[in-house]
Amino acid sequence: SQQGEEDPQALSIQEGENATMNCSYKTSINNLQWYRQNSGRGLVHLILIRSNEREKHSGRLRVTLDTSKKSSSLLITASRAADTASYFCATQTQGAQKLVFGQGTRLTINP
Amino acid sequence: GAVVSQHPSWVICKSGTSVKIECRSLDFQATTMFWYRQFPKQSLMLMATSNEGSKATYEQGVEKDKFLINHASLTLSTLTVTSAHPEDSSFYICSARDPRLAGVGEQFFGPGTRLTVL
Repeated sequence: SQQGEEDPQALSIQEGENATMNCSYKTSINNLQWYRQNSGRGLVHLILIRSNEREKHSGRLRVTLDTSKKSSSLLITASRAADTASYFCATQTQGAQKLVFGQGTRLTINP
Repeated sequence: GAVVSQHPSWVICKSGTSVKIECRSLDFQATTMFWYRQFPKQSLMLMATSNEGSKATYEQGVEKDKFLINHASLTLSTLTVTSAHPEDSSFYICSARDPRLAGVGEQFFGPGTRLTVL
């Protein structure tokens, strides 16, 4: 079952602007991960944030996690055309190996 | 980083035939692999967890007799779609965990296989 809900479902912005995507989930988690998928391709891992972390950075990516609200956000700063892709959050519960994916956000960066 | 490959990248078959999709971990040994299917513009749905040397664990609602999974070695898992029908047309993606990254939940994904059943 899909645990995560992401919003917006689609986002279109101009190159150079920041893009923010949100993810909500329903159960307690061990960690939350963000993945990117280019059209018709596999997924690429972007960043993992553990349940005891609140914020994490990686290059132009900033992820926050609020376990009290069961939500996470992914911020991409200074967007580029190459950032155009679908972005998925995925949660992993304690003791489980599998990931449960959110519905995804389709991000389009207009040059 | 860990690399996962899939073969074929796309396949077209006739209704009623069986199709085998391979998932390989190229530079690491994967005791556990995962199979997902994805419909256009939708998210990934986990079908099953493939365990080397033992039976796969299927998610609720996934027919194990229709989607046969074999994880015969530490670098290869196969998904066979038996008696394929047009509704089985989808994008099938596998992933694997690198046991060298114990405790880290990251999965490495293959490039996917697009199956079209006529």
